[in-house]
Amino acid sequence: DTGVSQDPRHKITKRGQNVTFRCDPISEHNRLYWYRQTLGQGPEFLTYFQNEAQLEKSRLLSDRFSAERPKGSFSTLEIQRTEQGDSAMYLCASSSGTGADQPQHFGDGTRLSIL
Amino acid sequence: GESVGLHLPTLSVQEGDNSIINCAYSNSASDYFIWYKQESGKGPQFIIDIRSNMDKRQGQRVTVLLNKTVKHLSLQIAATQPGDSAVYFCAENKNTGNQFYFGTGTSLTVIP
Repeated sequence: DTGVSQDPRHKITKRGQNVTFRCDPISEHNRLYWYRQTLGQGPEFLTYFQNEAQLEKSRLLSDRFSAERPKGSFSTLEIQRTEQGDSAMYLCASSSGTGADQPQHFGDGTRLSIL
Repeated sequence: GESVGLHLPTLSVQEGDNSIINCAYSNSASDYFIWYKQESGKGPQFIIDIRSNMDKRQGQRVTVLLNKTVKHLSLQIAATQPGDSAVYFCAENKNTGNQFYFGTGTSLTVIP
């Protein structure tokens, strides 16, 4: 399967703990996006990478959130001191090309549940 | 900020009928649009896209129509099948930015 891969698929943790998610984009896709999706809503943009550079962050991305893409391939999203409101599906997407007007291909997400 | 809205949150159709899912957008500067299908427990799946220099684009059993005058986007699914049951999202983007804005979604149920 050469699609976007996310790990883990599910994560259950206690409030206050740190969690880290991984995304492996489609090979050779230089653009990588993180989104958050809550039940009944569409995905909300969190952040965007062009190769290894994080070029845009949403105001939704508080200081507790950090994302990296160290070698321009896989990416990680870390949430520190998790809160109840962090419970959501975290989606990763990737696309090719130099502009945003290219189809984004999504992984199946990591579902985070905060106890 | 920009918003993308859908007229109907749910839609039920008989198998074999055509489905039309509508989407309104508020940002006249948006120039690229995508329709996604999302099944339970999965990520959004790309269906079809359209750029603002086009009014219509066809794929396999799907057609997207763009009316820039009234800022309206629609997805037509021909001969709807049970496998088409899912939530459908439209997403918009301004080529000058990197963010896509998604609507709430329309839940399509196909009745056998």
